[in-house]
Amino acid sequence: QVQLQQWGAGLLKPSETLSLTCAVYGGSFRGYYWTWIRQPPGKGLEWIGEIAHSGSPNYNSTLKSRVTISIDTSKNQFSLKVTSVTAADTALYYCARGETWDGTYYYLDLWGRGNLVSVSS
Amino acid sequence: DIQMTQSPSSLSASIGDRVTITCRASQSIRNYLNWYQHKPGKPPKLLIHGASTLLNGVPSRFSGSGSGTDFTLTISSLQPEDLATYYCQQSYSTRLAFGGGTKVEIK
Repeated sequence: QVQLQQWGAGLLKPSETLSLTCAVYGGSFRGYYWTWIRQPPGKGLEWIGEIAHSGSPNYNSTLKSRVTISIDTSKNQFSLKVTSVTAADTALYYCARGETWDGTYYYLDLWGRGNLVSVSS
Repeated sequence: DIQMTQSPSSLSASIGDRVTITCRASQSIRNYLNWYQHKPGKPPKLLIHGASTLLNGVPSRFSGSGSGTDFTLTISSLQPEDLATYYCQQSYSTRLAFGGGTKVEIK
């Protein structure tokens, strides 16, 4: 059974860098879009960005200047970095797998359990 | 970027009621629209992809319809376990976007 396991620091100070990693266990790493989503307290889901196994990343335009998503195919892992965090980056962060349907659209069919990241001085 | 607007933002219904949630895209997204169910303390769960294709194992009381800019998620007979927030999400553009969510409460 394929699982996503994610980890990273949960408490940051303003201006620090958020760093999370998500590992894929029990399944293929190829052919999917590996995605990060977050949910600020009391708010809805926000797509952060994605990276394909062999492609370049795509980012939310509002976060693009601070976000980097990278991939390590040798470890079946992908990572998220967000620089210069503020309290507005406090959220529950999820990693997820995007599967393509007939080469057209894709959907997020497998999710990690989420990491709460708090930014406070 | 494509914007997704859901309505209502919350609703309260009785067990057995028919519940309808609407999602509107700021431009045509064909049928590239997915629906998720999000319960507290759990990750979101995919219910429907491609506007109307029910994922295996999802109860048949859930259904989706629409294309272009207007989409609907329907729960034909609301059950207690359907208490959750529901999100639409478009994947027409390379930058995905979620709707703001609809919180479904049980009367």
